[in-house]
Amino acid sequence: ELKVEQNPLFLSMQEGKNYTIYCNYSTTSDRLYWYRQDPGKSLESLFVLLSNGAVKQEGRLMASLDTKARLSTLHITAAVHDLSATYFCAVGGTASKLTFGTGTRLQVTL
Amino acid sequence: KAGVTQTPRYLIKTRGQQVTLSCSPISGHRSVSWYQQTPGQGLQFLFEYFSETQRNKGNFPGRFSGRQFSNSRSEMNVSTLELGDSALYLCASSLGATSSSYNEQFFGPGTRLTVL
Repeated sequence: ELKVEQNPLFLSMQEGKNYTIYCNYSTTSDRLYWYRQDPGKSLESLFVLLSNGAVKQEGRLMASLDTKARLSTLHITAAVHDLSATYFCAVGGTASKLTFGTGTRLQVTL
Repeated sequence: KAGVTQTPRYLIKTRGQQVTLSCSPISGHRSVSWYQQTPGQGLQFLFEYFSETQRNKGNFPGRFSGRQFSNSRSEMNVSTLELGDSALYLCASSLGATSSSYNEQFFGPGTRLTVL
């Protein structure tokens, strides 16, 4: 059974600082997704990573995938308050099934 | 292009009742997946429908069922509601390609179900 672990579960960071969220998964997959969720809202797709070594960047967020290590990272550069949200990684399985990590609640403070 | 829509957005039921939730996928998408989100269990896959057939199923009891219509709209039904069924139910639509190379899913706003 595929297991997806995310850490940390909670991250409080100051504006302007950098940090990384880690996503480890237990079995081989070639699809890794990152989503953002604001309180009471749905999931917003951030990145889709499809191959080993894939790196994608959007604004202050950068995601990478190492399929050999079964590890994806979401790096936050110079955090701003607008990035406060919960971030989920999800690993693609059979057909459309996604297995989600526990989520990382990011709080950016002044 | 319109996004994924879910109705109703909020629902309050009592234990023992049943409930039906609806999801309309993005036009052209043939796959609809359902997920349950709770504070304790996180996001869990319920099932996926593709071309009116259940293609994938998670580890939920038989009280949870679904179906898909010829226009790709999907409904999810929960019978004999329990307190623990209180959750945000999200549906996601995708093109549904069987290839594993790319199958991005787009999520709807969710239905928040409260069981009293």
